[in-house]
Amino acid sequence: QVELQESGPGLVKPSQTLSLTCTVSGASTSSGGYYWSWIRQYPGKGLEWIGYISYSGKTYYNSSLKSRLSISTDTSKNQFSLRLNSVTAADTAVYYCARAAVVAAAHNWFDLWGQGTLVTVSS
Amino acid sequence: SYVLTQPPSVSLAPGQTAKITCGGNIIGSKSVHWYQQKSGQAPVLVVYNDNDRPSGIPERFSGSNSGNTATLTISRVEAGDEADYYCQVWDSSSEHVVFGGGTKVTVL
Repeated sequence: QVELQESGPGLVKPSQTLSLTCTVSGASTSSGGYYWSWIRQYPGKGLEWIGYISYSGKTYYNSSLKSRLSISTDTSKNQFSLRLNSVTAADTAVYYCARAAVVAAAHNWFDLWGQGTLVTVSS
Repeated sequence: SYVLTQPPSVSLAPGQTAKITCGGNIIGSKSVHWYQQKSGQAPVLVVYNDNDRPSGIPERFSGSNSGNTATLTISRVEAGDEADYYCQVWDSSSEHVVFGGGTKVTVL
């Protein structure tokens, strides 16, 4: 059974860096056919795709966040991570890690999600 | 950028059929996926590739996609189907995942 679990600080100060890690159990982040993803949800609002990293290390980022964003994998620990620089209160959200099943570039969907973690940006 | 439009809410009685639409420019040329999010929980995939169901999702959930509208249909709605539903596509021109704004389904 594959499971994803987010971890990281629940409170980040403005202008600092938000760092989250997703630990994958029951599957390998280096196996083909999947991209490893971050998605966030503002309180009471809809979903926003942040970006993902492929099994080969290629990254796809939301252009609205690209200048502040980095997604990476640590295959030795079977984890992938999110770093978002220069955060403001507008980055306060529930952050989900998710696995995207990829059949082809235009055919990818999120078949497995972590439980989500609330990150608040406040001094 | 590509935009997906969903109605904010749908209300219906148990046993009725819910049709949740997702509008987008020539969305029929894209592969559409649907997620169910119950209160306080992470989203769950209920339909992928327009009309395929993951293992464990009841047959009551089905999808269609043509022209400028994709539709998630929930037959014989139950109280347990009350949730927010989101559509999602991949926009190849911008290389972005795009989500619709979500539709809240209320079972009266």
